[in-house]
Amino acid sequence: DAMVIQNPRYQVTQFGKPVTLSCSQTLNHNVMYWYQQKSSQAPKLLFHYYDKDFNNEADTPDNFQSRRPNTSFCFLDIRSPGLGDAAMYLCATSRGGNEQFFGPGTRLTVL
Amino acid sequence: DQQVKQNSPSLSVQEGRISILNCDYTNSMFDYFLWYKKYPAEGPTFLISISSIKDKNEDGRFTVFLNKSAKHLSLHIVPSQPGDSAVYFCAASASGGGSNYKLTFGKGTLLTVNP
Repeated sequence: DAMVIQNPRYQVTQFGKPVTLSCSQTLNHNVMYWYQQKSSQAPKLLFHYYDKDFNNEADTPDNFQSRRPNTSFCFLDIRSPGLGDAAMYLCATSRGGNEQFFGPGTRLTVL
Repeated sequence: DQQVKQNSPSLSVQEGRISILNCDYTNSMFDYFLWYKKYPAEGPTFLISISSIKDKNEDGRFTVFLNKSAKHLSLHIVPSQPGDSAVYFCAASASGGGSNYKLTFGKGTLLTVNP
């Protein structure tokens, strides 16, 4: 089945220790997104790739970086996680239209 | 500043009755609207959408209504089933300005359908 896969599903890191979250897709979609969702809040777009073009949202902290080495994979790097970065991180893909397909998310805990 | 608002954090209905979930938006550039459904420990899944050129779209038990003048849309589920219990997110996009593939989400409404 074509799908969006996120690894790991649960990630625990220490304050200030870099962490990388992974997303892969078998849908061959050209757009990939990273969202941050905190409890009872709306998913918040951090950035997206349209093919290799990286698009950062204006209010995304510099602490968050992303890499897309190929069509299938996209990574979210948090360089120095703070307690406020604890959240669910959702990866999504699209063909460039309105409908996005989401992965199951990675729950990040910062100790 | 929230551009997409779901003012009811939760809604509880009886099985077989109608569920009505509401969503308001402030950005007049939004011209496409989607509803996503999310179960615990899963990502959101697409449910139904509507373009601003329409005022109603129906798919089985799910109907979305759009009132552009009021900047309001609603999702109707008839009849409601216990398996519909989930968080429902309203989302919107604007086709102009190169942002036609970015979605703005509301905070979600937790629907509980009681047997």
